[in-house]
Amino acid sequence: QVGLVESGGGVVQPGRSLRLSCSASGFTFRSYAMHWVRQAPGKGLEWVAIMSYDGSKEHYADSVKGRFTISRDNSKNMLYLQMHSLRPEDTALYYCAKDDGSSYFNWFDPWGQGTLVTVSS
Amino acid sequence: QSVLTQPPSVSAAPGQKVTISCSGSSSNIGNNYVSWYQQLPGAAPKLLIYDNNDRPSGIPDRFSGSKSGTSATLGITGLQTGDEADYYCGTWDSSLSAVVFGGGTKLTVL
Repeated sequence: QVGLVESGGGVVQPGRSLRLSCSASGFTFRSYAMHWVRQAPGKGLEWVAIMSYDGSKEHYADSVKGRFTISRDNSKNMLYLQMHSLRPEDTALYYCAKDDGSSYFNWFDPWGQGTLVTVSS
Repeated sequence: QSVLTQPPSVSAAPGQKVTISCSGSSSNIGNNYVSWYQQLPGAAPKLLIYDNNDRPSGIPDRFSGSKSGTSATLGITGLQTGDEADYYCGTWDSSLSAVVFGGGTKLTVL
């Protein structure tokens, strides 16, 4: 059974950094692109970043470009999101999601349960 | 403001049918596949439809998807109270080199 478990969320002051982790199980992690998607409280879904199956390609939403970095360790079945210069508007539930197809982006399936990041002084 | 446009809410009675629209442009829906997600209250999103109109195993055939030009539609028949949720469309935007979502549609089963 495919599983994704996020961790690393918490309360952080504006301008500080935080690293999120996503532990994957139940599938061949190194064969699939992976994503981070976030959802601010009471708001809709916002895609954050994608990394290709081998780590050779990545893209970011304009709202996080230059501040966030997605990475992965295929030997450990782990996905990461390094977040710098955090802003109050980055406050959200951050989901890790598996890309389930043969192209760069196909669709998200499944999603983890999310880890909450709160940026506040 | 989302790149893809969905109605904020739709409603219908149990047993009835509802459709949710998702409007985009040639850089996203017009030239890429659309997927749909259901988010029940307090839960993570779940895949409902992929590649415009395919259903993953375990998703009942009450749920269907279609695409025409730069718009996509999610259809739900035989509405149940358990279908009350937020529904999102998503696709790749070739101009932005980014995944884009609709703003979400809240379904109320009256």
